[in-house]
Amino acid sequence: NAGVTQTPKFRVLKTGQSMTLLCAQDMNHEYMYWYRQDPGMGLRLIHYSVGEGTTAKGEVPDGYNVSRLKKQNFLLGLESAAPSQTSVYFCASRPGLAENTGELFFGEGSRLTVL
Amino acid sequence: AQSVTQPDIHITVSEGASLELRCNYSYGATPYLFWYVQSPGQGLQLLLKYFSGDTLVQGIKGFEAEFKRSQSSFNLRKPSVHWSDAAEYFCAVGGFGDTDKLIFGTGTRLQVFP
Repeated sequence: NAGVTQTPKFRVLKTGQSMTLLCAQDMNHEYMYWYRQDPGMGLRLIHYSVGEGTTAKGEVPDGYNVSRLKKQNFLLGLESAAPSQTSVYFCASRPGLAENTGELFFGEGSRLTVL
Repeated sequence: AQSVTQPDIHITVSEGASLELRCNYSYGATPYLFWYVQSPGQGLQLLLKYFSGDTLVQGIKGFEAEFKRSQSSFNLRKPSVHWSDAAEYFCAVGGFGDTDKLIFGTGTRLQVFP
């Protein structure tokens, strides 16, 4: 029972480099989310998806892009990394409306450092 | 605007003492309320949730929370804290609609002394 898996778990980038974080869930969930967690700021929503092929902006979308080409995967991309994007990134998912209990299922996080 | 406030950034208690973590929310419709716990280096785990009905809800690990609509609060309680409860606790509010998202508070870090 893998649940929500994030790769990589750790990454160090230089300013201006690009990278992609992969989130994979094996629970057939419709909704997927990317959050970032910073000290004293809790979790802030970057982007989310309500189904395969859809994406939408969250609270702090600037500097990030996402894609949901397959239902089970939700990719978060940084085209030109900046030190302000140093954070811990969490992916989460939940079922569609018919099965929704409100609970989000979280991955273990990906720690990104931008030098 | 939708928001969640956790006024206590850091709380320290002795093992065996009681605990109450505060959460206040602002939400336009009927809120769905959650408490999550995050152990160091881990993702978030759901402790309990409130949708409707009985305003006192029970969760895992002996936690409970009470929804008070008049005070816009959803405080988390535990009668006797264990050292393993040391973690960060997040309150969240959301809805059930297609585009509804969970909004998290800034978290309360709980430290437990033996």
